[in-house]
Amino acid sequence: AQSVTQLDSQVPVFEEAPVELRCNYSSSVSVYLFWYVQYPNQGLQLLLKYLSGSTLVKGINGFEAEFNKSQTSFHLRKPSVHISDTAEYFCAVSGRTGNMLTFGGGTRLMVKP
Amino acid sequence: GAGVSQSPSNKVTEKGKDVELRCDPISGHTALYWYRQSLGQGLEFLIYFQGNSAPDKSGLPSDRFSAERTGGSVSTLTIQRTQQEDSAVYLCASSFSRNEQYFGPGTRLTVT
Repeated sequence: AQSVTQLDSQVPVFEEAPVELRCNYSSSVSVYLFWYVQYPNQGLQLLLKYLSGSTLVKGINGFEAEFNKSQTSFHLRKPSVHISDTAEYFCAVSGRTGNMLTFGGGTRLMVKP
Repeated sequence: GAGVSQSPSNKVTEKGKDVELRCDPISGHTALYWYRQSLGQGLEFLIYFQGNSAPDKSGLPSDRFSAERTGGSVSTLTIQRTQQEDSAVYLCASSFSRNEQYFGPGTRLTVT
């Protein structure tokens, strides 16, 4: 079984500032890791994923995340946020045999002008 | 190309009624998933279909919930005798490989 913890339920940040959204996971098996974004009244959109290989993965909209196996973390970063990045962000894991995603509780990113 | 579509987008029903929620996956995707998003429970897995294999029903919260997938494509999630705690957004996702799921916009279910 897997579990995902997103340490911050809300992150307020000013426009053009850097941001880090934290994600830690627990699993007894190797996992795939994902970050999804959800804009108001919309479904989930994949930002980026870690399957294997380089621990630094780059995604859409200028986001990147780093997989740290020893710390079981997969934190999401962006060097300079925009108002349009205001949304809910979900970290998720799945076992390498596939099947369902296990999600964290979400982090609401609020970008202020 | 077309993404995952879900209907209806909103559904209001009275407690005790049955509801059916529909999901049209991306063409060619062999796997289909249902999740539920609610304020109290966050995002929860409900059920998973892969090809012609028996579905993984391990996330269904009670026997009032069931789902089927016809012809390896369209899926219907049925909730019988709805309760107020069933109020949530029901999300469908499909995938071609096991490592990337594409989500639909969801159906917002309100049980009054």
